[in-house]
Order: sequence, then C-alpha cells, then structure tokens
Amino acid sequence: EVQLVESGGGLVQPGGSLRLSCADSEFTFSTYEMNWVRQAPGKGLEWVSYISSSGSTIYYADSVKGRFTISRDNAKNSLYLHMNSLRAEDTAIYYCVRVGYNSGYFDSWGRGTLVTVSS
Amino acid sequence: EIVLTQSPDFQSVTPKEKVTISCRASQSIGSSLHWYQQKPDQSPKLLIKYASQSISGVPSRFSGGGSGTDFTLTINSLEPEDAAAYYCHQSSDLPLTFGGGTKVEIK
Repeated sequence: EVQLVESGGGLVQPGGSLRLSCADSEFTFSTYEMNWVRQAPGKGLEWVSYISSSGSTIYYADSVKGRFTISRDNAKNSLYLHMNSLRAEDTAIYYCVRVGYNSGYFDSWGRGTLVTVSS
Repeated sequence: EIVLTQSPDFQSVTPKEKVTISCRASQSIGSSLHWYQQKPDQSPKLLIKYASQSISGVPSRFSGGGSGTDFTLTINSLEPEDAAAYYCHQSSDLPLTFGGGTKVEIK
C-alpha cells in the first residue's frame, strides 16, 4: 500500500517561511505526478500545486503563486513545498497527494501536516 | 475557474436509507469528475473516479453517475461507518477545484 508521510508543519509568524516534505515509501515514486492540497480548519479542500513526474511541469493556485515553490527529488522519493511570505489564511492541514497513473484523480493521500500562521 | 457546487451541504440520514449527493459544474467537464470521502480526523479517500468508475476496495453501495455538468454520488443502504464529508473534484482544467463538501450524519 502506498504510504505518503508529510513533515515540516508547525507554527510560524506572518511573513515567515516553512518547508514541507513528503516521503513516499513506494519505489515507483518517480513515475507519478504529485500535488499538494490543503484544508483550512473546519473547511473544505483546496488544491495548492502540481508537479509532473519528472518535475518539468509545475502549476500553482493563484492564492499561492509567487510565494510557494513545489519541487521533488525522485532519487529520495520525496516531494517538497517551500512556503514564503506566509499569511494567516495559509493556516491549514497540507496533504501530499498522488495522482493515479496517467489519470486525473487523486488515488493516495498522506495524513497531512498542520501549518499554523499566527503571531 | 470551474466552480463545483455541491448540494446539500448537510444531510442527516437513518441507516439503510439511500443518500444522493449532487455536484454541478459551472461548465462542461465531460467525465473528469471524482468523488472522495473524508471521515473525521482522517485524510480523504478516493471513492469514485471519472464520474462512475468504481474503485477496488470501496463498498458496492457507493456509485456515481452523470456527465457534462451534472453529477451524483449515491450511497445505497447507508451504513453507520458512512458518516463523513463527501467532496467532488474536477480534473478537466486548471486550477483543479473541489466542491464545497457534503456532510452526512447518521441519525
């Protein structure tokens, strides 16, 4: 079974930075497209960013464009999200999410890591 | 941006009842619509892909239908463990978007 494990969340002040990581236990990590999806406390799901299997294609939601950077290291089976200029509205659980092979649906989700932006 | 509107927002249902959740897209998305279940304090789980395709390991009481702009998730004979929030998601165009969610409570 696919196991995605996020880490790096925590409390950060407005304007601060944080780097989230996601480790994949599957050796086939390099063949899958990946995303970050977030969920503010008590709210619904919001897509944040996408990265292709090779890392050559990247997309962002407008709400994070210019502040967040997605990346991956296929040799380490890891996905990252660098978050700068954090705002209170970025407070959420951040999920690492795998796209089903050659598809558009999200077939595996991590347990999430909580990011709290507050002074 | 493709907006997905789910209804109802909340539903309180007796076990063994049938539940129908609607997801309407602001423009046609073909069959690029997927459904997820999120139980309290858990991450979402894929229930249905491409509007109506079943997922291995998901109970057969869950089914999906529709195409274009109107989609439905049906839970036949609701079980107590089905208490959860349900979300639709479109992968037709960027930005990827989700419906606002439907919370199903067991009476």
